[in-house]
Amino acid sequence: DTAVSQTPKYLVTQMGNDKSIKCEQNLGHDTMYWYKQDSKKFLKIMFSYNNKELIINETVPNRFSPKSPDKAHLNLHINSLELGDSAVYFCASSQGAGVGIFGSGTQLSVL
Amino acid sequence: AQTVTQSQPEMSVQEAETVTLSCTYDTSESDYYLFWYKQPPSRQMILVIRQEAYKQQNATENRFSVNFQKAAKSFSLKISDSQLGDAAMYFCAIARGTYKYIFGTGTRLKVLA
Repeated sequence: DTAVSQTPKYLVTQMGNDKSIKCEQNLGHDTMYWYKQDSKKFLKIMFSYNNKELIINETVPNRFSPKSPDKAHLNLHINSLELGDSAVYFCASSQGAGVGIFGSGTQLSVL
Repeated sequence: AQTVTQSQPEMSVQEAETVTLSCTYDTSESDYYLFWYKQPPSRQMILVIRQEAYKQQNATENRFSVNFQKAAKSFSLKISDSQLGDAAMYFCAIARGTYKYIFGTGTRLKVLA
């Protein structure tokens, strides 16, 4: 059983489109995250949610809107996609400051 | 603000030899956690080892061990008996409390047969 699963694994789309990435964890963790990994492999936090409440929003453009319907899910919706949004997006979860468990990533390519 | 610095963009090691990856960090907190993550070409982020800052004893996990120097804010990873499967990007990270992990820029490790 996958602990943190995110779908889709690959996403290819045109500029201007809207897309969503879904994430689910079955670990019972109270905190979930979205990270962006750019082409130079730099990992930067975008959002974190604790018990469904937004805790961190790291100056991400408001075209990115996370939604946490419950503790086990954190989805990411992106409006009006731009070329610079091309990256790998990772979902992760943790219990407090415990070990962060990552999903397998979603490679987003904006053409 | 917390920062993590990995000064070695790339390292190479001969199979079966030992290699040490460097990491320094900056934080004003006294209580925090440090991690090393491995990212192979498969893209998956895999936890290698974790260290609680309040523990003086260095963490070990099989062939992986850390040298944690709290005063110097240094957290290096030693890989013993390197194997071909160890080839990957290695990221050092710090987390305090919850809600945010700060990652270094990564070190690409090549293992030579």
